[in-house]
Amino acid sequence: AQSVTQPDIHITVSEGASLELRCNYSYGATPYLFWYVQSPGQGLQLLLKYFSGDTLVQGIKGFEAEFKRSQSSFNLRKPSVHWSDAAEYFCAVGAGNSGYSTLTFGKGTMLLVSP
Amino acid sequence: DGGITQSPKYLFRKEGQNVTLSCEQNLNHDAMYWYRQDPGQGLRLIYYSQIVNDFQKGDIAEGYSVSREKKESFPLTVTSAQKNPTAFYLCASSITGMDGYTFGSGTRLTVV
Repeated sequence: AQSVTQPDIHITVSEGASLELRCNYSYGATPYLFWYVQSPGQGLQLLLKYFSGDTLVQGIKGFEAEFKRSQSSFNLRKPSVHWSDAAEYFCAVGAGNSGYSTLTFGKGTMLLVSP
Repeated sequence: DGGITQSPKYLFRKEGQNVTLSCEQNLNHDAMYWYRQDPGQGLRLIYYSQIVNDFQKGDIAEGYSVSREKKESFPLTVTSAQKNPTAFYLCASSITGMDGYTFGSGTRLTVV
């Protein structure tokens, strides 16, 4: 079965500084990987996804993520954090057959942005 | 605009009562999912459905039931058998799952 580990429960970053959120996955085949963001009391919004091809994927809100098969990682990055980026971030891996997939989510990383 | 509607946003029930959470989508998605979210636990899959009149148990299905009579609707019933039902419940839909999910805004259930 697939699994996702987000090693950092909380991260605090100064506004304007760069950000990297870590994600490690476990899955036997080529994974489908996703990053989602959740504001308090809300649903999750898809930031970006990786299926195949270029290992550096661009998403919304200036985020990007890099797939590294050798490290089983899919870390999320942003060059300059804005106060509005404060939220909880979830990494997810998709697995399934017959063309369908369920997603397994990590436990999330809470991003705090300091002035 | 297309999207997923979960209702109500907040729900309070007494212990021992069954309660049904609504999830409706107008995205024409085949697949629908229910996740439970607890602080520090991430999202855990309760049930999912890939097609009308068919659904499968997820990782934590005990104490829950679902139906999928229409493509647009996937209601979740939290039964009295669920030992710790207080949580935030998220419904999602997708074309295949591999394209990623679209989430509703959630229902916070509190059982007292």
